Amino acid sequence: GEDVEQSLFLSVREGDSSVINCTYTDSSSTYLYWYKQEPGAGLQLLTYIFSNMDMKQDQRLTVLLNKKDKHLSLRIADTQTGDSAIYFCAEMMDSSYKLIFGSGTRLLVRP
Amino acid sequence: DGGITQSPKYLFRKEGQNVTLSCEQNLNHDAMYWYRQDPGQGLRLIYYSQIVNDFQKGDIAEGYSVSREKKESFPLTVTSAQKNPTAFYLCASSTQTGKDEQFFGPGTRLTVL
Repeated sequence: GEDVEQSLFLSVREGDSSVINCTYTDSSSTYLYWYKQEPGAGLQLLTYIFSNMDMKQDQRLTVLLNKKDKHLSLRIADTQTGDSAIYFCAEMMDSSYKLIFGSGTRLLVRP
Repeated sequence: DGGITQSPKYLFRKEGQNVTLSCEQNLNHDAMYWYRQDPGQGLRLIYYSQIVNDFQKGDIAEGYSVSREKKESFPLTVTSAQKNPTAFYLCASSTQTGKDEQFFGPGTRLTVL
């Protein structure tokens, strides 16, 4: 079945690294995404990774993909207060139009 | 500037009334989507459209209807048949379904009193 799971909440101190984790169940996923949602706003694509990659780095963001364990993580280096938001992981399956979203992880950055 | 707009940002309606949420994009995207977001949950797909004059039900289509008469526009009607319509509604578009990044609008928060 289709299921994407995330922990609900993460709190870090400003300047520390944040790691947000996600697990998915469908091994046919071709694309995996990280979206950011600020309060009362739509979703903004942060980064994505193809299923044939293990890692992708983009400035402060590092995505790690462990296909064997169906585990995806997003690391934010030098976390800032502006990074406080809800982060959603989502998977896109090869044969489908659908994005399957996790329930989101609320990141709180403490000064 | 190119993007997706949704209006209004906040919408209040009485129970039993139909209401239509607007979604417009000037990105020249073929595919458009409507999602519903409830507190503490991810997004759930209501309807999607791959091309003008065509649309398909998503996972939670009951109580909703859509039309796609123009490429730029994909309005969503929340009907009185929707049992629990209070939610945050997000519209998205992409160049084609199943392959490309979906760009999201700012959302409409619907509250049914």
